[in-house]
Amino acid sequence: GDSVTQMEGPVTLSEEAFLTINCTYTATGYPSLFWYVQYPGEGLQLLLKATKADDKGSNKGFEATYRKETTSFHLEKGSVQVSDSAVYFCALSDLRGSNYKLTFGKGTLLTVNP
Amino acid sequence: IAGITQAPTSQILAAGRRMTLRCTQDMRHNAMYWYRQDLGLGLRLIHYSNTAGTTGKGEVPDGYSVSRANTDDFPLTLASAVPSQTSVYFCASSEFLTPGRQYFGPGTRLTVL
Repeated sequence: GDSVTQMEGPVTLSEEAFLTINCTYTATGYPSLFWYVQYPGEGLQLLLKATKADDKGSNKGFEATYRKETTSFHLEKGSVQVSDSAVYFCALSDLRGSNYKLTFGKGTLLTVNP
Repeated sequence: IAGITQAPTSQILAAGRRMTLRCTQDMRHNAMYWYRQDLGLGLRLIHYSNTAGTTGKGEVPDGYSVSRANTDDFPLTLASAVPSQTSVYFCASSEFLTPGRQYFGPGTRLTVL
């Protein structure tokens, strides 16, 4: 079945540091890939997405590129801010299989210190 | 636009009691979902509904039931709560053509003693 593996946290960075959170996936079809973010005390919200190989999703300075050859979708940001402190979830939606369901990774807690 | 609302915000419940978590969306989305979030386990799908009148089982459906009488409401019922159901519960919805793009409610924190 489909699965998502993301790097375990917690990740602690200083403000303006470079961020990478690794994500790899296993899917039987042609999945769309997503990064969701959960700020403290809130529900998840979509951060960015990519629907096919070599697509780059971007939002709020975050980027991730859909790499089919390495089955990866790593999240990056060049300069993190304190306000980026949150839990980040990588997810996939396989449109050939479970049409209406997302498969999530376990989440990575990011803490950014001033 | 409220999006998705959930009630209650939090609840402490005695084991064996029945509890219904409420979820309402005002976006007219076809699909709705219930997840539970546990530390170290991420989000796990409990039940889902692709359209009003239909429901399906997710990854961890045991001990939970749902109904979808109309487009807007998707209640989750614990018939006889057990301590292992202590968790944060999130409701979500999505449109038919963009199933991966889900909108989440603020969550219900449930503690079963």
